[in-house]
Amino acid sequence: DAGITQSPRHKVTETGTPVTLRCHQTENHRYMYWYRQDPGHGLRLIHYSYGVKDTDKGEVSDGYSVSRSKTEDFLLTLESATSSQTSVYFCAISARQNNSPLHFGNGTRLTVT
Amino acid sequence: QKEVEQNSGPLSVPEGAIASLNCTYSDRGSQSFFWYRQYSGKSPELIMSIYSNGDKEDGRFTAQLNKASQYVSLLIRDSQPSDSATYLCAVSEDSSYKLIFGSGTRLLVRP
Repeated sequence: DAGITQSPRHKVTETGTPVTLRCHQTENHRYMYWYRQDPGHGLRLIHYSYGVKDTDKGEVSDGYSVSRSKTEDFLLTLESATSSQTSVYFCAISARQNNSPLHFGNGTRLTVT
Repeated sequence: QKEVEQNSGPLSVPEGAIASLNCTYSDRGSQSFFWYRQYSGKSPELIMSIYSNGDKEDGRFTAQLNKASQYVSLLIRDSQPSDSATYLCAVSEDSSYKLIFGSGTRLLVRP
């Protein structure tokens, strides 16, 4: 999967707890993304990064924060998990700004009870 | 709100037939268009990209783009049961590096 590793692959957590998901890439790509995928909604962009310490919000960013301190790592944090954040989370990377497809990691299935 | 629309399906075709998947988008400034295949429980996998009007062929797959009508389609010739998956259409947001995804069309190829 284009040198992208997501961890953990599965996580069950309780409402109100903080959760951090990690995306690690070995491709040295500048652009990294976090999407969530839910039935009936497709893939929705949470946050993205266009370089180290350069991040911006996507369409469903409420309740999430991100950090990118190194090119290879992009962290997604749920400050206080809610049941509505139960989802499958995908990290993606791309090499160039324009006309560039995304390549996805294997995903993290998060369940908030 | 910029949108990408796909029929959720399922689209059921017999083995060996042509499967035709369609996608419409709302952002007239979009420059890049992609089709991804996603098997159940797996991550999306890029199968086609197209950037200019017309057809682009790659093996059994043909992507078609019509910017004036704002639609993209994917044809799969000689469909195989292994093609059974959800196909996601993705469109760039006005030449930016963000992609907007449709919710996908589920394709079932009957043996």
